[in-house]
Amino acid sequence: GDSVTQMEGPVTLSEEAFLTINCTYTATGYPSLFWYVQYPGEGLQLLLKATKADDKGSNKGFEATYRKETTSFHLEKGSVQVSDSAVYFCALTSGGSNYKLTFGKGTLLTVNP
Amino acid sequence: NAGVTQTPKFQVLKTGQSMTLQCAQDMNHNSMYWYRQDPGMGLRLIYYSASEGTTDKGEVPNGYNVSRLNKREFSLRLESAAPSQTSVYFCASRVTESTDTQYFGPGTRLTVL
Repeated sequence: GDSVTQMEGPVTLSEEAFLTINCTYTATGYPSLFWYVQYPGEGLQLLLKATKADDKGSNKGFEATYRKETTSFHLEKGSVQVSDSAVYFCALTSGGSNYKLTFGKGTLLTVNP
Repeated sequence: NAGVTQTPKFQVLKTGQSMTLQCAQDMNHNSMYWYRQDPGMGLRLIYYSASEGTTDKGEVPNGYNVSRLNKREFSLRLESAAPSQTSVYFCASRVTESTDTQYFGPGTRLTVL
């Protein structure tokens, strides 16, 4: 079945540091890939997505590129801020009629001033 | 436009008690989903409803029942709560068959003693 593996946390960075959170996946067919973010005490929000190979999703300074050859979708940001502190989830959906999401376990990011 | 709303926000139950978690969306979405979030486990799908009048099991359906009351509302029922059901529950919805983005509610934090 489908699965998502993302790097274990927690990740602690200083403000303006470079961020990478690794994500790899196993799926049948051609999945769509997502990064969701969960700020403290809130629900999940879509951060970015990519629907086919070599697509780059971007939002709020975050980027991730759909790499079919390495089955990866790593999240990057060049300069993190304290307000980026949150839990980040990598996820995929294999489409079909139900578009069920399969999530990774989440990575807690803490950014210190 | 409130998006996806969930009630209650918090709930404490004793083992064996029953309760229903409510979810409603005002975006005219066809598909709705219930997930649970546990530490170190990411989000796991409990049940989903591809359209009004249909429901299907997800990854972890045991101990739960659902009702798609109408297009707006999708409830999750625990008939006899167990400590293993202590979790944060998220409802989500998706707009059409051809769109893979899900929108999440703020969550219900449930503790079963």
